[in-house]
Amino acid sequence: EAQVTQNPRYLITVTGKKLTVTCSQNMNHEYMSWYRQDPGLGLRQIYYSMNVEVTDKGDVPEGYKVSRKEKRNFPLILESPSPNQTSLYFCASTAIGAGAYEQYFGPGTRLTVT
Amino acid sequence: GDSVTQMEGPVTLSEEAFLTINCTYTATGYPSLFWYVQYPGEGLQLLLKATKADDKGSNKGFEATYRKETTSFHLEKGSVQVSDSAVYFCALSVTGYSTLTFGKGTMLLVSP
Repeated sequence: EAQVTQNPRYLITVTGKKLTVTCSQNMNHEYMSWYRQDPGLGLRQIYYSMNVEVTDKGDVPEGYKVSRKEKRNFPLILESPSPNQTSLYFCASTAIGAGAYEQYFGPGTRLTVT
Repeated sequence: GDSVTQMEGPVTLSEEAFLTINCTYTATGYPSLFWYVQYPGEGLQLLLKATKADDKGSNKGFEATYRKETTSFHLEKGSVQVSDSAVYFCALSVTGYSTLTFGKGTMLLVSP
């Protein structure tokens, strides 16, 4: 089954404690990205990756890091989380090309930073 | 830059009512347009898409037509069901790229 998985699904942590949210896809997609979803703001892109070792900033990259060492994985790293990073996070993947390809979304990770 | 504007919700309807959710866009280039749906507690799923002017995307009774002259992609359904209750996102991507620009989402609540 084609899918994007994220772990953990729920996370409560304290300010400053480094954390990693994992994302993995089994569709051999080149493109992967991270979004955060906040009430009244919709989805905003944090980082994206066009392929292994190629990453770039989205609209709201401050306070986040990513890496793409393998094609299937795209972890999101918060080295020193702050309360304003409390949000619902989604990972997504898609093929790259000239067509209008569907983006596949993971189930989401709800992060609370106290 | 590229942007998507959609009507604010929540939209509250009775079962079998007609649904319209408005979406307009601003984009450089010639975008592809999408509607995604998010059911409670889940990630987003593609509902329908259109890649060129006058294309009509359709799925599960939902339809949207790509109107280049009005830069719009309004979502419609003739008879909504309780199971359609969800948040609906309009989005675009500039042809040849994969990054999506989303609207803020419209919550739809359908009562029996």
